[in-house]
Amino acid sequence: DTGVSQNPRHKITKRGQNVTFRCDPISEHNRLYWYRQTLGQGPEFLTYFQNEAQLEKSRLLSDRFSAERPKGSFSTLEIQRTEQGDSAMYLCASSSGTGSINQPQHFGDGTRLSIL
Amino acid sequence: ILNVEQSPQSLHVQEGDSTNFTCSFPSSNFYALHWYRWETAKSPEALFVMTLNGDEKKKGRISATLNTKEGYSYLYIKGSQPEDSATYLCAFTANNDMRFGAGTRLTVKP
Repeated sequence: DTGVSQNPRHKITKRGQNVTFRCDPISEHNRLYWYRQTLGQGPEFLTYFQNEAQLEKSRLLSDRFSAERPKGSFSTLEIQRTEQGDSAMYLCASSSGTGSINQPQHFGDGTRLSIL
Repeated sequence: ILNVEQSPQSLHVQEGDSTNFTCSFPSSNFYALHWYRWETAKSPEALFVMTLNGDEKKKGRISATLNTKEGYSYLYIKGSQPEDSATYLCAFTANNDMRFGAGTRLTVKP
């Protein structure tokens, strides 16, 4: 299967710990997106990359959050000093395209984070 | 960028019924409007991306229209089937931001 792959599927950790998630996009896609989704809400945009460049970062993303895509392929999202409010589903998506975000995105199955 | 609103929040229909729901978005600074279908325990699946006022897209029994001047899009499902049961999300993009609505949860009863 050459879809978007996210690891791990589930992560349970204690408050204050750091966590890192990985996303492997569809190989020919130059764009990669991170979203956070909580119950009853649509996905909230966090950040996105075009190749290795991080083009936009939501103001929702505090300085405890950082994302990288060092070689323009896979990406990691790290949350430092986790808080209970960070409990959510973290979704990754990829697409082709340049300019505005006007290509369909292909989503992974997400990483569900639970903070104890 | 202002919020994207979807209505209704949920919808229950009988198999064979046709149905539609609405996505409202800011009419200024428009770049694209996306529709996704999200089944439970699966990942969101792209249905349509529309960029031009008056666009109409169709995929099987599902179709969508776009009015960028008044800031709304309709999604139609003709002859609903139980496998259409899912949450339908719309998302509005303006330059480098993408904003999803909370979705319409559709349940189709056999």
